[in-house]
Amino acid sequence: DIQLTQSPSFLSASVGDRVTITCRASQGISSSLAWYQQKPGRAPKLLIYTASTLQSGVPSRFSGSGSGTEFTLTISSLQPEDFATYYCQQLNSYPRTFGGGTKVEIK
Amino acid sequence: EVQLVESGGGLVQPGGSLRLSCAASGFTFSDHYMDWFRQAPGRGPEWVGRIRNKANSATTEYAASVKGRFTISRDDSKNSLYLQMNSLKTDDTAVYYCARKTIPTHGSDLWGQGTLVTVSS
Repeated sequence: DIQLTQSPSFLSASVGDRVTITCRASQGISSSLAWYQQKPGRAPKLLIYTASTLQSGVPSRFSGSGSGTEFTLTISSLQPEDFATYYCQQLNSYPRTFGGGTKVEIK
Repeated sequence: EVQLVESGGGLVQPGGSLRLSCAASGFTFSDHYMDWFRQAPGRGPEWVGRIRNKANSATTEYAASVKGRFTISRDDSKNSLYLQMNSLKTDDTAVYYCARKTIPTHGSDLWGQGTLVTVSS
C-alpha cells in the first residue's frame, strides 16, 4: 500500500496568514493526488484533484502543487472559514489511501 | 438537488450484519463510479471500496480490512448504492459515507452526510 505522510499534523495560524501543508508519498504517484477539507461533523470536501486542479467552486486562495512523491497544499490568505482539518488522498493505486491529516487552528 | 443520502446505520453486535444504502438524486447515477468511505471516531477517512459503472461491468475493489466481509452493489434503476457488511468487528465502528466519482482519478466530488455504524456488545 502507498503510505502518505502529512506535515505538520497540527498548525496554528492567524487570519491572513499564508499556510502550506505537505504530503509525501511512499512511492511515486505521478499527479494522482487530491486534497480535502473537513470540518467537525461534516463529510470531507474536495478542494483539489490531480495535484493542482482546483475543484469547481473552491476559492482561488487554495492551490496545490507537486508530482511524484512530494505535494503541497497552500492557502494564500487564511480566512475564518478555512479553520478545519485537511487530508491528502492518493488515487494512483488500490487501496486508495489518505494522509494522517493536518488540523489548522486559530492562533 | 444533487445529493447523496445514506441510511441503515445503527448498533449491531460483533459478528452481526448490516446493510447500508445510499440514495442518489439530481444527477445520472448510472454514469458514475461510487465509493464507500468510513471514519472512525477521532480518526481520518478510510477508503472502504469502489464499484464501477455498468459500462465498466460494475466491478468492485475493496480495502484489505473489509475484503471477504463487505460487498458493494448498486441498483441503477433505483439510483441506489449498497454496502452489505457481514462478520462485523468492533473496529468497523465508524461513520460510513458514500461518495461519487466523476472521473476515477479525480477525487470524490460529492459526499453524503454519513451514517453511524456502532459495533458493540
